[in-house]
Amino acid sequence: QSVLTQPPSVSGAPGQRVSISCTGSSSNLGLGNDVHWYHQLPGTAPKLLIYGNNNRPSGVPDRFSGSKSGTSASLAITGLQAEDEADYYCQSYDSSLGGYVFGTGTKVTV
Amino acid sequence: QVQLVQSGAEVKKPGSSVKVSCKASGGTFSSYGFTWVRQAPGQGLEWMGRIIPVLGRANSPQKFQGRVTITADTSTSTVYMELSSLRSEDTAVYYCARLPPSYDSSGVILPYYYYMDVWGKGTTVTVSS
Repeated sequence: QSVLTQPPSVSGAPGQRVSISCTGSSSNLGLGNDVHWYHQLPGTAPKLLIYGNNNRPSGVPDRFSGSKSGTSASLAITGLQAEDEADYYCQSYDSSLGGYVFGTGTKVTV
Repeated sequence: QVQLVQSGAEVKKPGSSVKVSCKASGGTFSSYGFTWVRQAPGQGLEWMGRIIPVLGRANSPQKFQGRVTITADTSTSTVYMELSSLRSEDTAVYYCARLPPSYDSSGVILPYYYYMDVWGKGTTVTVSS
């Protein structure tokens, strides 16, 4: 079962800004462990979007940004585009479980 | 260009085992960890375990302990995941992913692996009688 909680869906019009929340606990985000974000287009593998709370891998546009505070984190997408329609997952390390945990996933509709 | 190439789709009977391979090309195999994540139809991502070849260590969450075996062959830059005692609920797409190491302020590699930077395309495993 997922340890990190995300809203099931968010939607926005092209050009708008949307935000996805990711809520954890004292054994993962609250312990200071970083959050990372992935997006998954239908029928494809997940792809790294943000690592270390707010760092973008090469090639990821600056329309995507991340933040983290306490037991919560969020991913913001500005200038929403049709190609952003996908599932988004947050991920961290849980020190109590001794392994990686994923969020429940959020479907973004444009 | 770093790539993780996974083996092909499998159809298995309940109670049997499946072994999925993941071959890494590009990059330095021994510098990285590798992990397995699965996704059941219409569901989210679930972590199954990881291996750090340079440390010779593998671990998995309690849910899969005793059923999953993750190994690595450094001579061929290939990682394997074997899942035994298959049941219908194991029907899923299985992904391998690479775990980059961390670095200290001097650029020295640290054996801490926190996120997945490159993913394979996935292997569909169907468990059906």
